[in-house]
Amino acid sequence: ILNVEQSPQSLHVQEGDSTNFTCSFPSSNFYALHWYRWETAKSPEALFVMTLNGDEKKKGRISATLNTKEGYSYLYIKGSQPEDSATYLCALNSGGSNYKLTFGKGTLLTVNP
Amino acid sequence: DTGVSQNPRHKITKRGQNVTFRCDPISEHNRLYWYRQTLGQGPEFLTYFQNEAQLEKSRLLSDRFSAERPKGSFSTLEIQRTEQGDSAMYLCASSPSPLGEYQETQYFGPGTRLLVL
Repeated sequence: ILNVEQSPQSLHVQEGDSTNFTCSFPSSNFYALHWYRWETAKSPEALFVMTLNGDEKKKGRISATLNTKEGYSYLYIKGSQPEDSATYLCALNSGGSNYKLTFGKGTLLTVNP
Repeated sequence: DTGVSQNPRHKITKRGQNVTFRCDPISEHNRLYWYRQTLGQGPEFLTYFQNEAQLEKSRLLSDRFSAERPKGSFSTLEIQRTEQGDSAMYLCASSPSPLGEYQETQYFGPGTRLLVL
């Protein structure tokens, strides 16, 4: 059973603060790492797909890094806004014929105005 | 909106009843997935279709669960004789099948939240 861990479980920040979350995974089972943002009552929204060690991706104020050798990824949000409030999920694709994703439990971010 | 759609969005049922959920994937996406999220957990894989063929089923999918994807378009997930432990968010996702499959994005629907009383 693959273990994808996310920390912290939840986070409260003030508007304007920068923040980051961690996703750790077994490095021996790595094919790709996905980050999703899931707002209440909406569909999970794909943020990044990362495959290469040392990869860095950016989308507006959100960025992510990847270390496949040690098995972790960081998601950063610069200057948090209330609309960033959501659950952030990471998911590992570990190969195999079904391309399934193994998700962490998520980090619930609340940005207070 | 051309995203993945799911119906119904919410379903309340009594224990022992049968329920059926529908997923309409993004047009021309060959792969379709069902996941389930229970309270405090991340989504967990249930089953996967490549076109109309169901290629894998998780051990989470008991005999009471059945999924179909006739003609490789929409999919249905049926739960027979529902139990309280079936209460969860059922998510559907679809993806195309280009080269480099392990990095392709899975596009999710908003889910169907099931409550079994």
